[in-house]
Amino acid sequence: QLQLQESGPGLVKPSETLSLTCTVSGGSISSSSYYWGWIRQPPGKGLEWIGSIYYSGSTYYNPSLKSRVTISVDTSKNQFSLKLSSVTAADTAVYYCARLVAASFLSFDYWGQGTLVTVSS
Amino acid sequence: EIVLTQSPGTLSLSPGERATLSCRASQSVSSSYLAWYQQKPGQAPRLLIYGASSRATGIPDRFSGSGSGTDFTLTISRLEPEDFAVYYCQQYGSSPRITFGQGTRLEIK
Repeated sequence: QLQLQESGPGLVKPSETLSLTCTVSGGSISSSSYYWGWIRQPPGKGLEWIGSIYYSGSTYYNPSLKSRVTISVDTSKNQFSLKLSSVTAADTAVYYCARLVAASFLSFDYWGQGTLVTVSS
Repeated sequence: EIVLTQSPGTLSLSPGERATLSCRASQSVSSSYLAWYQQKPGQAPRLLIYGASSRATGIPDRFSGSGSGTDFTLTISRLEPEDFAVYYCQQYGSSPRITFGQGTRLEIK
């Protein structure tokens, strides 16, 4: 059974960089059938796609966040990571990592449990 | 940018009733790259429907999806108590590549 687990600091100061890692277990991140993505959800609000990455390193970002986002992959560790720079209180959210399946018309079929990141001094 | 608008914002129904949730796109969604998710409080979203009408693994057949182009529908034929949750539609397409609707809250009447 595939599992995804987010990890990283739960509290980040304004103007600093948010860094999260998603560890994939029970399957290979290097499969050609999947992309891997980050999605966030501010408290009480809806879902926002941040960006996605292919195991080769190709990335796709939400234009609204593109200037501040970097997503990378480490196939040797079966992990992919998110960096979001210059954070403000508006970046406070639950951050999810998820698998994006090409065969399922690019929908997210497996999700991590999510991790709450609060931006506050 | 493709904007997905879900309606209604909140739907109040009783167990056993039929639920019809709508997702309208501002531009045509190509090749039915439209999915539906269910989210319960404190949980990650769960994939229900992909390709507009295909049920994901393990999803009961009371859930069905339909539509094409700009108008899509999620139908729950007979509501079970565990179906009361928030539902999101999601599309994959032109930049930004992935967008979600704002959600429909399905609550017990």
